[in-house]
Amino acid sequence: EEQLVESGGGLVQPGGSLRLSCAASGFTFSDYWMHWVRQGPGKGLMWVSRIKSDGSSTIYADSVKGRFTISRDNAKNTLYLQLNSVRAEDTAVYYCARVKISHCFNGVCYVEDAFDMWGQGTMVTVSS
Amino acid sequence: DIQMTQSPSTLSASVGDRVTITCRASPSISSWLAWYQQKPGKAPKLLISKASSLETGVPSRFSGSGYGTEFTLTVSSLQPEDFATYYCQHQETFGQGTKLEIK
Repeated sequence: EEQLVESGGGLVQPGGSLRLSCAASGFTFSDYWMHWVRQGPGKGLMWVSRIKSDGSSTIYADSVKGRFTISRDNAKNTLYLQLNSVRAEDTAVYYCARVKISHCFNGVCYVEDAFDMWGQGTMVTVSS
Repeated sequence: DIQMTQSPSTLSASVGDRVTITCRASPSISSWLAWYQQKPGKAPKLLISKASSLETGVPSRFSGSGYGTEFTLTVSSLQPEDFATYYCQHQETFGQGTKLEIK
């Protein structure tokens, strides 16, 4: 069964750090671009960060740039999000999400603009 | 930056009703739009990609249409399990969400 399982959330003080993990199973993790998306309490979905399948390229939302770092270990089938200098407004459920692949041809996979698999989420609470 | 404007923010309807949710993009995004359903305490679920392509396993009462700047998600006959929040998405931008409530 294909799945994503996040872990690492918890209570952290303002200015502190936390590392989130997203363990993938049931599919070839190294084929897929991956994202982090968060959702504050009672709020909508907010995109956080993206990493390409080989880890060669990353992008971030302006609100987390310079504070958060996305990375992956394809040998361990795991995606990470390092949260530094956290603020109260970072309080949210953090989801990892897989980018849909439309098709692969000659060893190259073409991505679609959609997230076809999500983890169950991990809650991060920033509070003193 | 792409702006995604979703409406309405709340929609009250009854079982069996036909409902439509709209998502407007600025500027044009061709057909690169996805729709998600999210139930309380759960992760979002992809319903439709590329504006109108229904994901495997999603009931056929869900449909998507549109191109460029205006898109719609339609549920042809609401079922009890369809009451949830719906989001549109293009690349790194999500719409604000539409909460579909029981009237």
